[in-house]
Amino acid sequence: GNSVTQMEGPVTLSEEAFLTINCTYTATGYPSLFWYVQYPGEGLQLLLKATKADDKGSNKGFEATYRKETTSFHLEKGSVQVSDSAVYFCALRLNSGGYQKVTFGTGTKLQVIP
Amino acid sequence: GAGVSQTPSNKVTEKGKYVELRCDPISGHTALYWYRQSLGQGPEFLIYFQGTGAADDSGLPNDRFFAVRPEGSVSTLKIQRTERGDSAVYLCASSRDRAAGELFFGEGSRLTVL
Repeated sequence: GNSVTQMEGPVTLSEEAFLTINCTYTATGYPSLFWYVQYPGEGLQLLLKATKADDKGSNKGFEATYRKETTSFHLEKGSVQVSDSAVYFCALRLNSGGYQKVTFGTGTKLQVIP
Repeated sequence: GAGVSQTPSNKVTEKGKYVELRCDPISGHTALYWYRQSLGQGPEFLIYFQGTGAADDSGLPNDRFFAVRPEGSVSTLKIQRTERGDSAVYLCASSRDRAAGELFFGEGSRLTVL
């Protein structure tokens, strides 16, 4: 079946540190890939996406590149801020019975300290 | 409001009781999803509606769980004879149509079964 594996947290970084959150996937077919973010007390929201191999999604200083050869979609940010503290979910979307089914990873909690 | 609205935000009930959770999607969104998120886990797919019909209910854990969307807008997730293991955050999401990739999530309904 389709699945997403992401690194376990929590990840604790100092402000301005470099962030990498690893994500790999297993899918039958060619999925679209997403990162969703859940800030404390809020619902999940889309952070960035990539729909085909070698695409790079980017938003709010975050980037992730769709790597088909390694089935990966690692999230990176060059300099994190305290406001980036949240839980990050990697997800894939694949056609399933005529609709786009979204499968999520378990989430990685990021804590940025001043 | 303009976003996905879920009520109640918190529900505490006793084992064996019946519970209803409501989701009001973004106006005009035809696709509606229910997910369940247990502590420390990612969202787990329960059921998908396209319009009024449940197009995929393969994620419902057992026959105690049921969902409806009679007019193609508001949806209600119904849980009979609740068990302690049902305790989780129940998330609702909508998208413009079945092909649209981005899901818009509500803030969830936290269910606690004592």
